[in-house]
Amino acid sequence: AQTVTQSQPEMSVQEAETVTLSCTYDTSESDYYLFWYKQPPSRQMILVIRQEAYKQQNATENRFSVNFQKAAKSFSLKISDSQLGDAAMYFCAYRGPNTGNQFYFGTGTSLTVIP
Amino acid sequence: KAGVTQTPRYLIKTRGQQVTLSCSPISGHRSVSWYQQTPGQGLQFLFEYFSETQRNKGNFPGRFSGRQFSNSRSEMNVSTLELGDSALYLCASSLVAAALGEQFFGPGTRLTVL
Repeated sequence: AQTVTQSQPEMSVQEAETVTLSCTYDTSESDYYLFWYKQPPSRQMILVIRQEAYKQQNATENRFSVNFQKAAKSFSLKISDSQLGDAAMYFCAYRGPNTGNQFYFGTGTSLTVIP
Repeated sequence: KAGVTQTPRYLIKTRGQQVTLSCSPISGHRSVSWYQQTPGQGLQFLFEYFSETQRNKGNFPGRFSGRQFSNSRSEMNVSTLELGDSALYLCASSLVAAALGEQFFGPGTRLTVL
C-alpha cells in the first residue's frame, strides 16, 4: 500500500514570512495525484493545492506553491507571506490510478502563525 | 451548491452500543468515502461507496460497516462500540470522473465513547 509521511508534526512561522511543509510518499505507480489539504480549527477540510505527477511544472495557487520532486518522491508545500488565517493542520494526500478513489493521507503538520 | 453535510455533528455513546452516522454528498457526486481521524494517526480510510456498492475498504474490523442509497447519501454504522472508536469521522464526496480526483469533505461527526 502507498504510504505518505509528514515528518514535521508541528511548525511555526512569523506572520508575512515563508514556511515549507514537507511530505514524502512511497509508490510504485508512475501516474498519480498529490494534494495538500488544510484543516482549520473549525474542522472543515479544504483543498489547498493539487499536483498531477505527469506534469513537471510545480502547481501554484496564489501564496501556495509546491516543490514536486518525482524521483525523490517528495511533495513539499510552500506558503509565502503567511497570514494568521493559514494556521491549521495541513495534510498531504496521495491518490493513485489503481486504488479507486482511496486517498492516502499523512499524519499532518500543525502550523502556527505568530503575529 | 450545498457542501457535504454530516449528521449528527456530535455523539456520545457508551461501550457496547452501536451508532449510525449519516453523510449527504454534494449534489451530483456519486462517490462517498469515510475516514476516521484521531490525534497522531491522521486520517485512516474506512471505505468508499460508489453507486450503492462498496469499492474499497480499509483495514478496520467488521464492526465498521456502511451503505449507500440510490440518492448517493451514505450511512456508516459501528457496532459494539469500544473506547478506541472515539474519533472524528469524516465523510468526503467526489465526482469519480473528475481527472484530478478532488475530494470534498464534510465537517465531521465527533464520536465520544464512554
